[in-house]
Amino acid sequence: AQSVAQPEDQVNVAEGNPLTVKCTYSVSGNPYLFWYVQYPNRGLQFLLKYITGDNLVKGSYGFEAEFNKSQTSFHLKKPSALVSDSALYFCAVRANNAGNMLTFGGGTRLMVKP
Amino acid sequence: DAGVTQSPTHLIKTRGQHVTLRCSPISGHKSVSWYQQVLGQGPQFIFQYYEKEERGRGNFPDRFSARQFPNYSSELNVNALLLGDSALYLCASSLERTSGGEQYFGPGTRLTVT
Repeated sequence: AQSVAQPEDQVNVAEGNPLTVKCTYSVSGNPYLFWYVQYPNRGLQFLLKYITGDNLVKGSYGFEAEFNKSQTSFHLKKPSALVSDSALYFCAVRANNAGNMLTFGGGTRLMVKP
Repeated sequence: DAGVTQSPTHLIKTRGQHVTLRCSPISGHKSVSWYQQVLGQGPQFIFQYYEKEERGRGNFPDRFSARQFPNYSSELNVNALLLGDSALYLCASSLERTSGGEQYFGPGTRLTVT
């Protein structure tokens, strides 16, 4: 079985400050890890993924994430937050033998204040 | 290029009724997956279809069924609707059945069961 935990329901950060949204996972075998963002009344928008290789992954809109195998974590980061980054963020995992089945965390609401 | 499209956008049904939701994948994408997102939670995997065959099924009752057509579009059917079926239903498409590729999500269909 595979699972994802996003321990923070909400993260508050001031505009211009760095942000981190936490994610830990559990999966058999090598994981494929993803971050998606959801704006109100919208579907999920792909931000970045880790498949293999460099542990630091860069994605859309200045976001990046660091894969840490020993801690089974895949935290999302951005050096300088924007008000427009305020949204719901989902971490997802897929085992490399699980077809296309993504398992999502419960989501973290990011609030960036001016 | 058009992204993943879903119809209808919103739907209100009564308990016991049947509903059909539709999805058109990104052109060239052969895999379609369906997810249910209950308010306040992360999406949960329902089905994956690839080349018109079911390739994966989540933990949902038999009231849920789906199919994929020769043009790779897909339908999700839910019979004997329950209040608990009220959710945002998301369709996602990807190029391959299994790979490190990301899935691209549509805007969703908001189903309300009264």
